Amino acid sequence: AQSVTQLGSHVSVSEGALVLLRCNYSSSVPPYLFWYVQYPNQGLQLLLKYTSAATLVKGINGFEAEFKKSETSFHLTKPSAHMSDAAEYFCALGGSNYKLTFGKGTLLTVNP
Amino acid sequence: NAGVTQTPKFQVLKTGQSMTLQCAQDMNHNSMYWYRQDPGMGLRLIYYSASEGTTDKGEVPNGYNVSRLNKREFSLRLESAAPSQTSVYFCASNVAGGISYEQYFGPGTRLTVT
Repeated sequence: AQSVTQLGSHVSVSEGALVLLRCNYSSSVPPYLFWYVQYPNQGLQLLLKYTSAATLVKGINGFEAEFKKSETSFHLTKPSAHMSDAAEYFCALGGSNYKLTFGKGTLLTVNP
Repeated sequence: NAGVTQTPKFQVLKTGQSMTLQCAQDMNHNSMYWYRQDPGMGLRLIYYSASEGTTDKGEVPNGYNVSRLNKREFSLRLESAAPSQTSVYFCASNVAGGISYEQYFGPGTRLTVT
């Protein structure tokens, strides 16, 4: 069975600091992995996706994620946090019938 | 190009009342999905439609029904609302071809059942 685990339901960083949001997955087939962002009172927006091409994936707003098969991880990073990055972030794993399995989400707070 | 639209944005129901949440997409996507989002639970799949004319249960289908009216529209019906169905409901779609797994989401419907 597929599953996604996001470590840390809440991450707090200072403006300008490194952002690291952790995601581990379990899949019996080569995975397709995604990060989505949800701003308050909005729907989910795709940040980036891994589809077995490059292991380092660049997304919007300066975010990137690295696929590590040996660690079954797909952690999301940004070198320097901005106040506008405050949101909830979801890691997701693609499955049969193009369904997605979502992690429980990580709320990112950025302190001035 | 509006993407995925949902109506209504907000709704308050009394226990036992019924309602239908509407979803439409204008991207010619094959697959459509209904999720509910609850604090600390992430998104959980209620029902999905892999293609026009088909629907299947997801992780949490009890208390819901769906209709894939045509390729554009996918509605979610609560026949007899319960307080446990208080949630934010999201509709999503994807082209469902090749390696295109990414889904596109609507803005959500906030439902409160009292």
